[in-house]
Amino acid sequence: KQEVTQIPAALSVPEGENLVLNCSFTDSAIYNLQWFRQDPGKGLTSLLLIQSSQREQTSGRLNASLDKSSGRSTLYIAASQPGDSATYLCAVSIFGGGSNYKLTFGKGTLLTVNP
Amino acid sequence: NAGVTQTPKFRVLKTGQSMTLLCAQDMNHEYMYWYRQDPGMGLRLIHYSVGEGTTAKGEVPDGYNVSRLKKQNFLLGLESAAPSQTSVYFCASSFAGLMNQPQHFGDGTRLSIL
Repeated sequence: KQEVTQIPAALSVPEGENLVLNCSFTDSAIYNLQWFRQDPGKGLTSLLLIQSSQREQTSGRLNASLDKSSGRSTLYIAASQPGDSATYLCAVSIFGGGSNYKLTFGKGTLLTVNP
Repeated sequence: NAGVTQTPKFRVLKTGQSMTLLCAQDMNHEYMYWYRQDPGMGLRLIHYSVGEGTTAKGEVPDGYNVSRLKKQNFLLGLESAAPSQTSVYFCASSFAGLMNQPQHFGDGTRLSIL
């Protein structure tokens, strides 16, 4: 059974700092990996999606890497801002039979960026 | 730019009552999903649908039923609510599976069972 672990569970940093969030998964036979952001009382917003054949994806100040063989992904946030404060979730897609794919989520990292 | 809309946003039920949560998407997505999010457990898939008229069980389907009569709507039913079903429920949709497309989420329904 695929398990996704995110470390640390919570992180507090001063504004402007570069930071790394970690995600690990137990079964390397994934189709893709996604990073989501969740604001309090809101749903999830997809930030980056990395295909299993890719090594990294970038969007603005965000860079996500994937090392499928070691079962690890990192989300790098450059020059953090208070508006980046949220819970960040990692999820991997696994084959669910037929032609459909399901997501297995980690429990998230709660990020607080202090002004 | 509605995306995925969930109704209601909040609900309190008594044990044994029934209710239906509605999810509507306007992106013409084939796939739709219902998740529950609980503290310390993360998001878990309840049921999903790969197209109009189809449904399938996810990781935690017991106590729930679903229907997808129209492509844009996915209903989640609780036949006899139990306190263990107190949770935040999220609906999501995606275009033709997950190979290249992310899932789009609604803002959730916060459900309390007394």
